[in-house]
Amino acid sequence: NAGVTQTPKFRILKIGQSMTLQCAQDMNHNYMYWYRQDPGMGLKLIYYSVGAGITDKGEVPNGYNVSRSTTEDFPLRLELAAPSQTSVYFCASSWDSVSYEQYFGPGTRLTVT
Amino acid sequence: SQKIEQNSEALNIQEGKTATLTCNYTNYSPAYLQWYRQDPGRGPVFLLLIRENEKEKRKERLKVTFDTTLKQSLFHITASQPADSATYLCALALTGGFKTIFGAGTRLFVKA
Repeated sequence: NAGVTQTPKFRILKIGQSMTLQCAQDMNHNYMYWYRQDPGMGLKLIYYSVGAGITDKGEVPNGYNVSRSTTEDFPLRLELAAPSQTSVYFCASSWDSVSYEQYFGPGTRLTVT
Repeated sequence: SQKIEQNSEALNIQEGKTATLTCNYTNYSPAYLQWYRQDPGRGPVFLLLIRENEKEKRKERLKVTFDTTLKQSLFHITASQPADSATYLCALALTGGFKTIFGAGTRLFVKA
């Protein structure tokens, strides 16, 4: 099993550009999550999904969109990138809800200039 | 307001000693509390989960306690090794929800 994979590892965007961060898991997990991690801060939940076709906002959803058309994939879309979106983004998955541990991907380091 | 706090100062200890990390929270009602390890440039890795009705959980050299009255969890690494050097995150899994709230983490350095 590859676990949770994320692409790209690094990206530099100009202000106003858009991009999609890819996330895939091969563990047949129902739940998937997107977090951002800023220096000295805890992971902040952007969006989560409890199954294919079902997504919901987390703590900091503004400026982002998600979709979940399959169990395996959970891409995160950034529209009109802003410097405030400079961060490290982690995708995670879990078998079920909060009673189960989350498996994290390696992260995408995004810089918006 | 709701807070989850971990000591922001790094913890430096000597190899072989026990490392104790603290996680305090306010105005949350967690059903579960989890601890993760994060190495630089990598995603967090799950270590232990403890339920609200459990006082203590052990796994090899790791021990977690959970006091819902004090609203505190302690994470212990016994016989610490330089390879234990990392950032440790605590995370609250809330009752009836799908969300987990993460602390900012405590950096641990174990010196040989």
